[in-house]
Amino acid sequence: DAGVTQSPTHLIKTRGQHVTLRCSPISGHKSVSWYQQVLGQGPQFIFQYYEKEERGRGNFPDRFSARQFPNYSSELNVNALLLGDSALYLCASSLEGASYEQYFGPGTRLTVT
Amino acid sequence: RKEVEQDPGPFNVPEGATVAFNCTYSNSASQSFFWYRQDCRKEPKLLMSVYSSGNEDGRFTAQLNRASQYISLLIRDSKLSDSATYLCVVNIEDSNYQLIWGAGTKLIIKP
Repeated sequence: DAGVTQSPTHLIKTRGQHVTLRCSPISGHKSVSWYQQVLGQGPQFIFQYYEKEERGRGNFPDRFSARQFPNYSSELNVNALLLGDSALYLCASSLEGASYEQYFGPGTRLTVT
Repeated sequence: RKEVEQDPGPFNVPEGATVAFNCTYSNSASQSFFWYRQDCRKEPKLLMSVYSSGNEDGRFTAQLNRASQYISLLIRDSKLSDSATYLCVVNIEDSNYQLIWGAGTKLIIKP
């Protein structure tokens, strides 16, 4: 069975640009969560979607947005990129909500120059 | 005080030894608890969920102490392949539905 997939794997952008990251959850999983991880820290929660609705939002600015599609895949959008947005962006899928085990994709490594 | 705290380590442990880490959490409303392991520049992988009664999976044992608000992970007969960062995760079922992650404890198993 396919695990969580994310695209692209690596991305280099310049300040002020916009980026879209994509995630496909494990088949049968209805919830997708997005995390940002910088070196030496644990993942920081950005969003959780369940059944195409936003269920949770972390402490990130409005430049960050996301959505979930009818097939449960998801996109994370970041506008007006800042140098500090450089990080590993992780997508995790779970059967339902956050109280269930989450399974991560390999992540997208974003570098903002 | 951070919501989830872990000793960053590194813990340098000889192969075959037993090692234990603790993770403390600040919100008494925390409902679900997990341990993940993360290898360098890789995604976190679920190691085990932590149940109120404690649970064991091979060489790994997890315990929950609600009164003192900590969870623990014990690794017996450590292997070189156990070298990784171990992340403690807590779910708080409030209106925000999010998992709170510790920064991780780095474990290095030496031959």
